[in-house]
Amino acid sequence: DTEVTQTPKHLVMGMTNKKSLKCEQHMGHRAMYWYKQKAKKPPELMFVYSYEKLSINESVPSRFSPECPNSSLLNLHLHALQPEDSALYLCASSQLSGGALETQYFGPGTRLLVL
Amino acid sequence: AQKVTQAQTEISVVEKEDVTLDCVYETRDTTYYLFWYKQPPSGELVFLIRRNSFDEQNEISGRYSWNFQKSTSSFNFTITASQVVDSAVYFCALSNLRTGTASKLTFGTGTRLQVTL
Repeated sequence: DTEVTQTPKHLVMGMTNKKSLKCEQHMGHRAMYWYKQKAKKPPELMFVYSYEKLSINESVPSRFSPECPNSSLLNLHLHALQPEDSALYLCASSQLSGGALETQYFGPGTRLLVL
Repeated sequence: AQKVTQAQTEISVVEKEDVTLDCVYETRDTTYYLFWYKQPPSGELVFLIRRNSFDEQNEISGRYSWNFQKSTSSFNFTITASQVVDSAVYFCALSNLRTGTASKLTFGTGTRLQVTL
């Protein structure tokens, strides 16, 4: 089973709202990722969690706040976003060992529109 | 620094035609992985294949085949007898793996494939 689930599928929020994106995987992966993808662009890495600890933050503005409550769950808390933050937000997970196991498997994404 | 170049922005073919998507990469590491992902209009990135830098064997999976050539730093993807369901954006990606750390993917800009009847 290579399924990563994300909720919600679509989200519309105002610039003063607080919302959260959720991601879940049950593949036993110990690395989880958040990506942002604008239209007609490749995904851009935002955050990486390894063993439930934040290991990579790609200089993301503080209005995006990640959280990894356990090895299966990954949240992205959103606050005071700007219209330019509208994008497809993708979650991914992978094994955390050497060799051929670190393929990232992606979820279906959350399409976010900030008004 | 790593870089992945997909020079073809968009390709249009008629169903049943063969099509090759090009991917050229740059890396200073000797150990790395190359990937192809498919992104249909629904948005989900679907993993297609992973290749490590030590294995230059070509691979075939059904209508899909991949040609990895280290000498030219290329990892091209061919779809034989294309179908409308193959219409998607295809991304080539590179990952320099270090044991015990999460891998960072460097994506190419993607090639949009449109297959028509």
